[in-house]
Amino acid sequence: DAGVIQSPRHEVTEMGQEVTLRCKPISGHDYLFWYRQTMMRGLELLIYFNNNVPIDDSGMPEDRFSAKMPNASFSTLKIQPSEPRDSAVYFCASSFMAGVGDEQFFGPGTRLTVL
Amino acid sequence: EDQVTQSPEALRLQEGESSSLNCSYTVSGLRGLFWYRQDPGKGPEFLFTLYSAGEEKEKERLKATLTKKESFLHITAPKPEDSATYLCAINFGNEKLTFGTGTRLTIIP
Repeated sequence: DAGVIQSPRHEVTEMGQEVTLRCKPISGHDYLFWYRQTMMRGLELLIYFNNNVPIDDSGMPEDRFSAKMPNASFSTLKIQPSEPRDSAVYFCASSFMAGVGDEQFFGPGTRLTVL
Repeated sequence: EDQVTQSPEALRLQEGESSSLNCSYTVSGLRGLFWYRQDPGKGPEFLFTLYSAGEEKEKERLKATLTKKESFLHITAPKPEDSATYLCAINFGNEKLTFGTGTRLTIIP
């Protein structure tokens, strides 16, 4: 398996533009997690899905952020409109189970810069 | 609120100089503690899971231990390729992981 795949790897955009980040989880994994990593706040969970259903979106910073998982092999994280404070590295991770007993496998991340 | 604290923030060691990284937590129901390694420009890579106080796990030059309040990642005779950021994450009883801010380890040849 190729592991978790994320695209694009780098995104530079201007404030106010819409940004869409994409993730393909490892085949057979039932859980998908979206994280954001910054120097100030470290790695923060934004939202996670189980069997394509959003379970907990309490980490989504505000209504400008939305996430979907239309099928077991694809998920998107959208920011509309984007702001400079959204600049960060966004990671997608997947796991067979969740919580105790099963590790999460992370993708390479998307480095987002909002000018 | 359940919290995870890692120390030190950064650590520089000479090659072969053993040391330990610390992960402490306030607990209201620890279900598991995870150690990850992160190289620059990459996603975190899983190392270990510990479930109960007294448990230990080893992988090459790394050994992770767990007590009721903290975990240590011991690095024995490190090499330059061990340089990375080491992240600790806690499962407090649900399906989510809470990550610490990490220890940035540099091994000098």
